[in-house]
Amino acid sequence: SYELTQPPSVSVSPGQTARITCSGDALPKQYGYWYQQKPGQAPVLVIYKDSERPSGIPERFSGSSSGTTVTLTISGVQAEDEADYYCQSADSSGTYGVFGGGTKLTVL
Amino acid sequence: EVQLVESGGGLVQPGGSLRLSCAASGFTFSTYLMHWVRQAPGKGLVWVSRINSDGSSTNYADSVKGRFTISRDNAKNTLYLQMNSLRAEDTAVYYCARGGVATFHWYFDLWGRGTLVTVSS
Repeated sequence: SYELTQPPSVSVSPGQTARITCSGDALPKQYGYWYQQKPGQAPVLVIYKDSERPSGIPERFSGSSSGTTVTLTISGVQAEDEADYYCQSADSSGTYGVFGGGTKLTVL
Repeated sequence: EVQLVESGGGLVQPGGSLRLSCAASGFTFSTYLMHWVRQAPGKGLVWVSRINSDGSSTNYADSVKGRFTISRDNAKNTLYLQMNSLRAEDTAVYYCARGGVATFHWYFDLWGRGTLVTVSS
């Protein structure tokens, strides 16, 4: 079955830039999406179609795509950004959805 | 208010059945694809199933195919997930999520708070 691969954890100090990568063979054909999930809460979409930001999401969140990798970048990380981040996409035929395993962002 | 509210979770024995519901409000439910996503305790998100806007097309993860059935009632603005032959590994919080308006839209831009399903004897 199709898989998306993310690092389990990323740590940054406040004000620095955090980058979380996600790799998958179908990403050149399918968009990547990113979700933020804080403990006890439902996920929130923070990036769609590789690099678009939904309304209400701070400008410090951005996304990019290159080949089989999509990247979530958080510039000027704040303490409130500490959360789990999941990338998500679909298989190459668009038949089923798939999530990465999640990355725990720790703000030191 | 735009929202999704799940219900129907609970404790069920292995091999049992359960039907989850998701009530939508604040948007035109009938124009959106809808999904179920689950999350086992302490684990990551897993996509479960998708249904198109008029209910004529469905997709399932391999792990639930043949056991779960997704459906919708656009007149009642409600999404359902019928879960049969439940296993311990189906234990999870089940989220209802709104998709896009086209079949190639694979994002989830609105989520419910989830309902917990526990499969245990």
